[in-house]
Amino acid sequence: DTGVSQDPRHKITKRGQNVTFRCDPISEHNRLYWYRQTLGQGPEFLTYFQNEAQLEKSRLLSDRFSAERPKGSFSTLEIQRTEQGDSAMYLCASGRDGVMEQFFGPGTRLTVL
Amino acid sequence: AQSVTQLGSHVSVSEGALVLLRCNYSSSVPPYLFWYVQYPNQGLQLLLKYTSAATLVKGINGFEAEFKKSETSFHLTKPSAHMSDAAEYFCAVIERNGNEKLTFGTGTRLTIIP
Repeated sequence: DTGVSQDPRHKITKRGQNVTFRCDPISEHNRLYWYRQTLGQGPEFLTYFQNEAQLEKSRLLSDRFSAERPKGSFSTLEIQRTEQGDSAMYLCASGRDGVMEQFFGPGTRLTVL
Repeated sequence: AQSVTQLGSHVSVSEGALVLLRCNYSSSVPPYLFWYVQYPNQGLQLLLKYTSAATLVKGINGFEAEFKKSETSFHLTKPSAHMSDAAEYFCAVIERNGNEKLTFGTGTRLTIIP
């Protein structure tokens, strides 16, 4: 069990640029979640996948955000035309059907200048 | 929609003293309940969870929490605080019959006074 990994750990970008984050879940986990955490707040749900199917998207996920999990393994989260308000920690978590536990990765901290 | 309230954004206790972090949920159907801990610049680690078994749940690092349906509460306690307990603590819920997404409270920062 190598845990959930995320890459990169830190990303600094200029407003208007596109960024992509990667999440590798624990290998036998079929569920994958993305959350966003801003300073002083708890994480907020963005979207989740069961295998390769994206089953729910939060209203927080504007049209500039897109997430994929093409083969039901790793996932990517892309933000297009970044804005300063996108600055946050982006957390990925994975889990298994019927097991009420999500394992979190270390997060990707995004800073938009 | 579910909501989670954590009373006290900052709590300070002396080393060796009792730790009590409060969490209340709003739901007519008791959800699944969780406590997570977050150390600086790290992801979240599960401390303990309540699904449907015993109402007193024991977790890692000496923490425990009690589910009280009548009070819609799930407060986290530890009998004796240690310096290493200093961190941010989040209470979270998952709705029953939902998609298993976590809804978090705003967190409580625990400071341990030497």
